[in-house]
Amino acid sequence: GAGVSQSPSNKVTEKGKDVELRCDPISGHTALYWYRQSLGQGLEFLIYFQGNSAPDKSGLPSDRFSAERTGGSVSTLTIQRTQQEDSAVYLCASSPRNTGIGNTEAFFGQGTRLTVV
Amino acid sequence: AQSVSQHNHHVILSEAASLELGCNYSYGGTVNLFWYVQYPGQHLQLLLKYFSGDPLVKGIKGFEAEFIKSKFSFNLRKPSVQWSDTAEYFCAVNALYGNNRLAFGKGNQVVVIP
Repeated sequence: GAGVSQSPSNKVTEKGKDVELRCDPISGHTALYWYRQSLGQGLEFLIYFQGNSAPDKSGLPSDRFSAERTGGSVSTLTIQRTQQEDSAVYLCASSPRNTGIGNTEAFFGQGTRLTVV
Repeated sequence: AQSVSQHNHHVILSEAASLELGCNYSYGGTVNLFWYVQYPGQHLQLLLKYFSGDPLVKGIKGFEAEFIKSKFSFNLRKPSVQWSDTAEYFCAVNALYGNNRLAFGKGNQVVVIP
């Protein structure tokens, strides 16, 4: 596609429910990143994919969070048993290759605003 | 792992004033450096980037940033701001051949008063 697409754009869920957030990266981009943006906290790194593998999962805040990527394209971030502190904007970014090994930038989607009530 | 510090989280200034936002990072090796901007209601977009070469880089909308390796800094500047520059600005650093993590600072919320 023309840009990084995330869905849904907004999600309100009840505490304790599971949610799935989807990211469609720019076609051909091999690197994909998930971040969490909370007010005044900047962008918190969650996980990074190179192709379908996730070399760096260390940013996931708890074992309730998981992510996968299939076909080197779409990625899904799953939050199980959501808590109120999970409320934030979840951002996805993609780049043609890992920004750490090549001179390239990350392109961001609009984000999914998650509200846990 | 690299970390990024941005100071003065909230900045309020009048149109035509000059803007400088500080960014310091902690990583001893080679880095790629970025400034991203998020206008109200919009997604993050790249303002400028430094990979190598001239440490003074120019970006869109009259912004520039200077990489000072000895100070581990990549400060953003604009000589004369406009109301449309009201946005949140994020500095980001990626360590080359490091942990492949694009690390962001907490951001600077800039409000330009007409």
